[in-house]
Amino acid sequence: AQSVTQPDIHITVSEGASLELRCNYSYGATPYLFWYVQSPGQGLQLLLKYFSGDTLVQGIKGFEAEFKRSQSSFNLRKPSVHWSDAAEYFCAVGASDDYKLSFGAGTTVTVRA
Amino acid sequence: DVKVTQSSRYLVKRTGEKVFLECVQDMDHENMFWYRQDPGLGLRLIYFSYDVKMKEKGDIPEGYSVSREKKERFSLILESASTNQTSMYLCASSFPTQGANVLTFGAGSRLTVL
Repeated sequence: AQSVTQPDIHITVSEGASLELRCNYSYGATPYLFWYVQSPGQGLQLLLKYFSGDTLVQGIKGFEAEFKRSQSSFNLRKPSVHWSDAAEYFCAVGASDDYKLSFGAGTTVTVRA
Repeated sequence: DVKVTQSSRYLVKRTGEKVFLECVQDMDHENMFWYRQDPGLGLRLIYFSYDVKMKEKGDIPEGYSVSREKKERFSLILESASTNQTSMYLCASSFPTQGANVLTFGAGSRLTVL
């Protein structure tokens, strides 16, 4: 079974600074990887996904993520954070033979002025 | 865009009550899911359904049941609510894309059991 670890529970970043959120997964074969964002009081919105091919994936809102098979990682990055990026971010892993996604515990991002 | 609608955003129930959480999706998706979200635990799958009248247990099905009588509607049922079921409940639907399931979520239903 697949699993996901997000090592950082909470990150605080200044507006305009860069952001990197870590995600490590455990899965035997090539995984399908996702990043979702949840604004306060809302459901989850898909930021980006990786299925195959180019290991650098571009998403919405200026986010990107890089799949590194050797490190079992799928870290999310943004070059310059805006106050509206304050939210909770979830990494998820899926498989081609499974309907389900397994989610990490989430990382809460606080943006300070 | 796919829309997943959860009928109740906030509910307050008493211990022992039967609780229904309703979810409707409007894009003919085959798969529907109920997740529970708790701080520090992320999302945990309760049940999912891959077709009408079909259901499978997720990771934490105890104390819950589901119903899918129509393709667009997936209901989560708490037969006898308990305080440890106080949580945020998220419904999602999906259609396989390139072999993977891309989930679209509803806004969530926050349940408080007193």
